[in-house]
Amino acid sequence: NAGVMQNPRHLVRRRGQEARLRCSPMKGHSHVYWYRQLPEEGLKFMVYLQKENIIDESGMPKERFSAEFPKEGPSILRIQQVVRGDSAAYFCASSPPSGSRETQYFGPGTRLLVL
Amino acid sequence: TQLLEQSPQFLSIQEGENLTVYCNSSSVFSSLQWYRQEPGEGPVLLVTVVTGGEVKKLKRLTFQFGDARKDSSLHITAAQPGDTGLYLCAGALGSNYKLTFGKGTLLTVNP
Repeated sequence: NAGVMQNPRHLVRRRGQEARLRCSPMKGHSHVYWYRQLPEEGLKFMVYLQKENIIDESGMPKERFSAEFPKEGPSILRIQQVVRGDSAAYFCASSPPSGSRETQYFGPGTRLLVL
Repeated sequence: TQLLEQSPQFLSIQEGENLTVYCNSSSVFSSLQWYRQEPGEGPVLLVTVVTGGEVKKLKRLTFQFGDARKDSSLHITAAQPGDTGLYLCAGALGSNYKLTFGKGTLLTVNP
């Protein structure tokens, strides 16, 4: 029973390029959350999605960042025109369709480095 | 301002010792979660506590949720090198899906 999967595990981009981070939730889970962990800081909530719906994107920067969770395939966090300040670990979590959404299972993360 | 304060920030002990780490807030949480994170990996869920005063045990780990649901503690008995890692507490405030994380306690257990 695979857990939450994320790829790539490491991503290097130059300033101005695009970064695409992928997340496959645990089997049977329909809620996906993205968090960002900056150096020396705790994880910060970015966005909460269900299939084909963005439920809450209040933690996501208004510009350059977008997220989707299509009917088929993984959830994607997309960062356009990356800047050095985007360098961080990005974690995806999922929770089952019923029960508490507070109990979230995390993937291994994508470490993004912007040169 | 950090909503969840974890202490101590760093803790280095010898194998076999007992320890307690703390997670404190001035806010009331509907639940608190404890995670352990190893370098280069994601947080691994250890426990969720929901009821004020609740105590949960997971082998040598004992988790307690404060009566007022503002704080929590994690006690490890007879620590082992495999317990080494970053221990994070997280809570849901208001909405039940937007977790707020502390900065963690970095525990090192020396053999």
